[in-house]
Amino acid sequence: DVKVTQSSRYLVKRTGEKVFLECVQDMDHENMFWYRQDPGLGLRLIYFSYDVKMKEKGDIPEGYSVSREKKERFSLILESASTNQTSMYLCAIQRTMNTEAFFGQGTRLTVV
Amino acid sequence: AQSVTQPDIHITVSEGASLELRCNYSYGATPYLFWYVQSPGQGLQLLLKYFSGDTLVQGIKGFEAEFKRSQSSFNLRKPSVHWSDAAEYFCAVVSNTGGFKTIFGAGTRLFVKA
Repeated sequence: DVKVTQSSRYLVKRTGEKVFLECVQDMDHENMFWYRQDPGLGLRLIYFSYDVKMKEKGDIPEGYSVSREKKERFSLILESASTNQTSMYLCAIQRTMNTEAFFGQGTRLTVV
Repeated sequence: AQSVTQPDIHITVSEGASLELRCNYSYGATPYLFWYVQSPGQGLQLLLKYFSGDTLVQGIKGFEAEFKRSQSSFNLRKPSVHWSDAAEYFCAVVSNTGGFKTIFGAGTRLFVKA
């Protein structure tokens, strides 16, 4: 069974805090992705990485950064959390273009 | 830019009725297309995918989808809906610019009435 594990299911943070969302996979996939999911907007790509220490901006990278020091771990960082970053965050892995993406269970982040 | 449009935000069908969820994509080359389903409180699960060959593809849970290049569409269908199909459905296209990335539509929420 594929495992994509996100460190927290629910998180409440204060405005201005630095927030770390962790994602760990056990499938040895090079490609890892961070999305945020909002009602009526679907999944929007924040950042992705196709190798250790490599990162690419997605469609909505503003206010976020990422870290990929090890192949199995991909971290999303909110440098200074704001209320408009309240959302569901999903981590995914995908081996190739024509294979399915596997998702973590998601982290519901609330910024107050 | 690549994009995916799901024109219907939500759809309600009666149990046992047929279903069609619409998806249109914008992509220059031959697209890699996917449908995923997200049941309440669950993660996303792959229903089916298309990247070449027969334009009618079969998936899990009795779903199928047809790729129509001339219409830039990849609509999802099911002949008889079950109450357990109530969920949110996402169409997605994979773009291969600078590595690859999956672009999702906004989703269609399916309600099933008894």
